[in-house]
Amino acid sequence: DADVTQTPRNRITKTGKRIMLECSQTKGHDRMYWYRQDPGLGLRLIYYSFDVKDINKGEISDGYSVSRQAQAKFSLSLESAIPNQTALYFCATSEAGFSSQETQYFGPGTRLLVL
Amino acid sequence: QKEVEQDPGPLSVPEGAIVSLNCTYSNSAFQYFMWYRQYSRKGPELLMYTYSSGNKEDGRFTAQVDKSSKYISLFIRDSQPSDSATYLCAMTHVGAGNMLTFGGGTRLMVKP
Repeated sequence: DADVTQTPRNRITKTGKRIMLECSQTKGHDRMYWYRQDPGLGLRLIYYSFDVKDINKGEISDGYSVSRQAQAKFSLSLESAIPNQTALYFCATSEAGFSSQETQYFGPGTRLLVL
Repeated sequence: QKEVEQDPGPLSVPEGAIVSLNCTYSNSAFQYFMWYRQYSRKGPELLMYTYSSGNKEDGRFTAQVDKSSKYISLFIRDSQPSDSATYLCAMTHVGAGNMLTFGGGTRLMVKP
């Protein structure tokens, strides 16, 4: 079974609709992240959470909100979707603290199309 | 100007070729440098990790960091069709916690 799962994997929605993307992890990591990926722009951080009570805005948080329901679950919401939010969305996790082997583990992604 | 620049490609090479993928960056505070590989319709996965300047080798892959030039490279020897993917560089520093700054990715195609 995958360590980091995302649902749905693909979603088509209309402008103005509310949509939620969900992420679950079985790695036991405290830290979770939401990124979006656009062609040529790499991965840009939307929100991150260092534990259940700690949620922080990333580089491009406008138009998004998040909820950390448990250590293992981190959801991303688009309250009123707009076409320029069409992108590939990734959830990632990492261990707490700054170790010498720094890495983030990514889910398979959600492909979102806003019409 | 983006903090981390990476040529988007695509880079097309024949099987067996040596591949060189590169990133330049502007923030001299970066200390930890990573290469992620992303196959189509998959999430990125960590391929190589290096700290500060120097080389690190892992099988057919060599990661090289030149902090004085703010330039990092990933070399792939004896490239295989299975190496066809997008390669993303990423970097961070202690002051940034776990926050990674990514390059835009280079798409590599290795043709049989």
